[in-house]
Parts: sequence; C-alpha cells; structure tokens
Amino acid sequence: GAGVSQSPSNKVTEKGKDVELRCDPISGHTALYWYRQRLGQGLEFLIYFQGNSAPDKSGLPSDRFSAERTGESVSTLTIQRTQQEDSAVYLCASSSNGIGRRSLYEQYFGPGTRLTVT
Amino acid sequence: QQQVKQSPQSLIVQKGGISIINCAYENTAFDYFPWYQQFPGKGPALLIAIRPDVSEKKEGRFTISFNKSAKQFSLHIMDSQPGDSATYFCAASKGFSGGYNKLIFGAGTRLAVHP
Repeated sequence: GAGVSQSPSNKVTEKGKDVELRCDPISGHTALYWYRQRLGQGLEFLIYFQGNSAPDKSGLPSDRFSAERTGESVSTLTIQRTQQEDSAVYLCASSSNGIGRRSLYEQYFGPGTRLTVT
Repeated sequence: QQQVKQSPQSLIVQKGGISIINCAYENTAFDYFPWYQQFPGKGPALLIAIRPDVSEKKEGRFTISFNKSAKQFSLHIMDSQPGDSATYFCAASKGFSGGYNKLIFGAGTRLAVHP
C-alpha cells in the first residue's frame, strides 16, 4: 500500500521567504509527527498531531514555525521568514492507534523534504 | 539537552563481522527504545524495538541488549552484510506511559560494511 508521502522533495528558497511543506500520511493513521534532521545529526521532534489537534508543539523552534492538519489526513508545516539555520530535511511520520502493540507505536516515515535557505 | 547519546559516529566492519552500536539515555521515564535504519534519500524505518522489562530482544541478525541500571542499550548486527550499510539511529520515548510516541533520537551511526 501507499506509504507516507511528502512534497516537495527539495525546496530551495531565499532567506526571508515563507515555505510550506506537505505531508500525506498513511490512510487511517490518526497520529502524525514532524521531525527535523540537520545535516549529520539525529532527528529532532517538532510537533505531534492526534487527528487535527496538536497536543504537543513543544519542539517548534520559534513562532516562525507553525503546522496544521486537516482531519486525519494532510498536514502542512509552514516556516515564515526563513533563515539559513532552517536548512534541514523535514520528515513526517504517521502511526496508527489501531490493532496490535507494534502498530500502535511504529512510526512510518516519509522520505522528507530537503529545505535549503540561501 | 541531549537525552540520548549514541556512539560511535561511524563504523566500518568487514562482511560477516559483528557491528555494535551503543546508546545511553538520561530520562528514567523512557519506556520504549527503538532502533531505526536509514538509507540515503529515504526516511528512517523501524528495525527493532525493546521495552525495559526485558534485557535482550533478537530479530534475525539484529539484537538489542538493554541494561536498565546503566541506562544503556545497544544494537548488535550479526554476520554484517554490505546491504546493512546505512545510518542507524537509536531513540527513546515515553510511548507506553505518555499516550503518544514522541521519539528522542540519538545523533546516528554511519555503518559501512566492506565486502
């Protein structure tokens, strides 16, 4: 079946511009997570959605970052007034609250969006 | 604050050898410890995971060893193959008690298995 998809795969933008990154989770997955992966580093948690609400936004680095989710489907991460330090790969993951212990906790990751701010 | 420390940063192993990657954590509230494998240009994929009520879990050539008192866990890849060449991340979360699975990742280990 279809996995998590993200678009665009690559985005180059000028400092100060706004960008929108899109995530399409696996159909039926109620939980959705955004992570950021800087070059050569591990993933940093940004935000967690359960359905269309975000009970944990603690990882968003600044008020320039925001995210929303439509129902239990598409999510958009928006970065306003981009800075060079925002350059990273932004990864989205989804998981089910469904059947089986493993399925409850396994996060399926998309391929990421590589953002470069020049 | 880095809550999960991973070592080594990179590792070279000969085909057929054992690859060992170590992680240490600080937060004793963590109750779920997965390992992820990432190939270039792809998102991470779950490899194997363990809970702190067991000391070892094995799936095929992959084994997690867990030492609760030392707050350490490690991944062993037996009979390493060139196809295992990837970046490996350990992670930890309070998933079983926290109601959701916010993963805290280590910095990653780049493994190269030479033929």
